[in-house]
Amino acid sequence: AQSVTQLGSHVSVSEGALVLLRCNYSSSVPPYLFWYVQYPNQGLQLLLKYTSAATLVKGINGFEAEFKKSETSFHLTKPSAHMSDAAEYFCAVSQKTSYDKVIFGPGTSLSVIP
Amino acid sequence: DVKVTQSSRYLVKRTGEKVFLECVQDMDHENMFWYRQDPGLGLRLIYFSYDVKMKEKGDIPEGYSVSREKKERFSLILESASTNQTSMYLCASHEAGPGVSNTEAFFGQGTRLTVV
Repeated sequence: AQSVTQLGSHVSVSEGALVLLRCNYSSSVPPYLFWYVQYPNQGLQLLLKYTSAATLVKGINGFEAEFKKSETSFHLTKPSAHMSDAAEYFCAVSQKTSYDKVIFGPGTSLSVIP
Repeated sequence: DVKVTQSSRYLVKRTGEKVFLECVQDMDHENMFWYRQDPGLGLRLIYFSYDVKMKEKGDIPEGYSVSREKKERFSLILESASTNQTSMYLCASHEAGPGVSNTEAFFGQGTRLTVV
C-alpha cells in the first residue's frame, strides 16, 4: 500500500532563508509524486509534479523538488522564503492502478517570520 | 477561470439533518473526489467516482453517501449529520482514466461545515 509521510507538521523560517519541507513515500512501484499548496481558506493548487522525466522538478513561485529513489524522498525546497509562502503544503503520491487515487500526506504548515 | 466549484463556502447544520454538498467541474474530467480535511490528519478520501453513476468508497465512507448523475456534478450526502462530521470538505476532479495517474487534481475552494 502507498503512504506518504511529511516530517514536521509545522516549519518556521525567516524571510529570505532556505525553505526545506520533507516528504517520504512508500510504494511498491515507481510512483508519480506531487506537491500541493493550500493558502488560508482556499482549496489546494499544484506546485509541481514528478512523472519520471527528470529527477529535479521546478514548480511555480520558485519552488523545486528532487526525486531520490534510493531515499524514497521528494523534498520541497525554495532558496529564499517570502512572506507570501506562508501556507499549508501537502505531498501526494499516485500510481498506475485501476482507479487513480491520490494519497496525501498529513501536511506541513509553513510560517515565514519577518 | 473557476474550474471546480463547491456550492457553499460555509455551512452550519443541526445534528440529525440531511446535508448535501454540491460540486461542479467544467473540465469534462472523468474522476471526481470528496475529501475531508482535519488538522493533523491531512486529506482523507471519503468517496470517489470514475464515471457517471459509478462510485467507490474511499478510506472513511461511514456516514456519507454520494451521487453522480451527470459527469460534471458530484454530490456528497451526510445522511444524518453528527458533530464529528464538522470539518472542511474538499472536492477535486482529475483528468486521468484507468492506468494514467500523472495529471494533477483540481480542487474546489472547500466547504467548512459545522454541525451543532
